Amino acid sequence: SAVISQKPSRDICQRGTSLTIQCQVDSQVTMMFWYRQQPGQSLTLIATANQGSEATYESGFVIDKFPISRPNLTFSTLTVSNMSPEDSSIYLCSATDTQRSFSYEQYFGPGTRLTVT
Amino acid sequence: KQEVTQIPAALSVPEGENLVLNCSFTDSAIYNLQWFRQDPGKGLTSLLLIQSSQREQTSGRLNASLDKSSGRSTLYIAASQPGDSATYLCAPSGGGADGLTFGKGTHLIIQP
Repeated sequence: SAVISQKPSRDICQRGTSLTIQCQVDSQVTMMFWYRQQPGQSLTLIATANQGSEATYESGFVIDKFPISRPNLTFSTLTVSNMSPEDSSIYLCSATDTQRSFSYEQYFGPGTRLTVT
Repeated sequence: KQEVTQIPAALSVPEGENLVLNCSFTDSAIYNLQWFRQDPGKGLTSLLLIQSSQREQTSGRLNASLDKSSGRSTLYIAASQPGDSATYLCAPSGGGADGLTFGKGTHLIIQP
């Protein structure tokens, strides 16, 4: 299994600003994912981050709004840009290792609770 | 596009009861399915993973079954305890680079 940490755990931001969320995994993993959980809703996949390539975004999410970096096999960042109150959500990262395990089990971080005022 | 439905949406029972949580999905071409629990304001804890070739998987008081052809999975919780109170989410995956598709979850309350 993989242990995943996220920073910050929560933040309150003003509209129009940007926040970068960090995700750190305690072992090397091939795939990392970013999800959003809006209040009272389930999780929605934002994008998939593979080391050494551009992130792949799901329908409804664009790189200008949610730029993602994946500089190595243990770390990724998600930036929420030009925030509005509608971006208030919990943002979660997850990881799976497709090289050492064929189960493709995904492990999740504790999430970042973002409130935009 | 995969769609996931979980029934019931909410459940409140006295402790000690055996429970069944249901999950259905529209695209049966899955690689695996995971069950998670989420405590309020927290991240997800993986409970069980069932590969598409498996029929069921067990961990302690939890047993998950999978009927891939009919697009259904069931999570069985035996002898429920107040500590089982949480939201339970099922998430099928196409595997590899595919992210997970989540249902809206079953909000479970176990009364002491």
